[in-house]
Amino acid sequence: AQKVTQAQTEISVVEKEDVTLDCVYETRDTTYYLFWYKQPPSGELVFLIRRNSFDEQNEISGRYSWNFQKSTSSFNFTITASQVVDSAVYFCALSDPYNFNKFYFGSGTKLNVKP
Amino acid sequence: DVKVTQSSRYLVKRTGEKVFLECVQDMDHENMFWYRQDPGLGLRLIYFSYDVKMKEKGDIPEGYSVSREKKERFSLILESASTNQTSMYLCASSSPTGQGDIQYFGAGTRLSVL
Repeated sequence: AQKVTQAQTEISVVEKEDVTLDCVYETRDTTYYLFWYKQPPSGELVFLIRRNSFDEQNEISGRYSWNFQKSTSSFNFTITASQVVDSAVYFCALSDPYNFNKFYFGSGTKLNVKP
Repeated sequence: DVKVTQSSRYLVKRTGEKVFLECVQDMDHENMFWYRQDPGLGLRLIYFSYDVKMKEKGDIPEGYSVSREKKERFSLILESASTNQTSMYLCASSSPTGQGDIQYFGAGTRLSVL
């Protein structure tokens, strides 16, 4: 069965600190997709990144970086030099093995960045 | 620009009422989804649709139905609202590529059932 665990319910940091959001997933399949979404206070989930299971290369996009490790079934998200605008709920998601359109979401991590 | 619009941001209904939540997308996407978001539970899939008049149950379909008469519109129906259906409802759409399609979300409807 597919499962995504985001053990950190809420994290508070001070602006300019680095912060890592953890995502651990469970799947028996070799082909799958992982996603991160951001949900700001406005409510709309915003897509951040998609990674397929065959691509373990880490990715960096500005202050955001992602570390995908199949050996530990983790897909962690790091924000460098956090800013107040990064305050949001962040969700990790895993695709269904028989239907890549269908996602399984983690419970989310609420990030509070204080000035 | 990608746009998924949910008709109401906030809705208050009484127990037993029939409730319609509407979602419209302007991206000509084949796939549309309805999720429910509750604290500590993340997003859970209620129903999804691959095409007009087609629907499939998600993980928590009980107490809900859906309608997709036009490609751009996907409606979630609560036949007889109950207090345990008080929640945030999110609509999403995607275009099938067979490669883990990115879903685009609306801003959500916060429903309170009294």
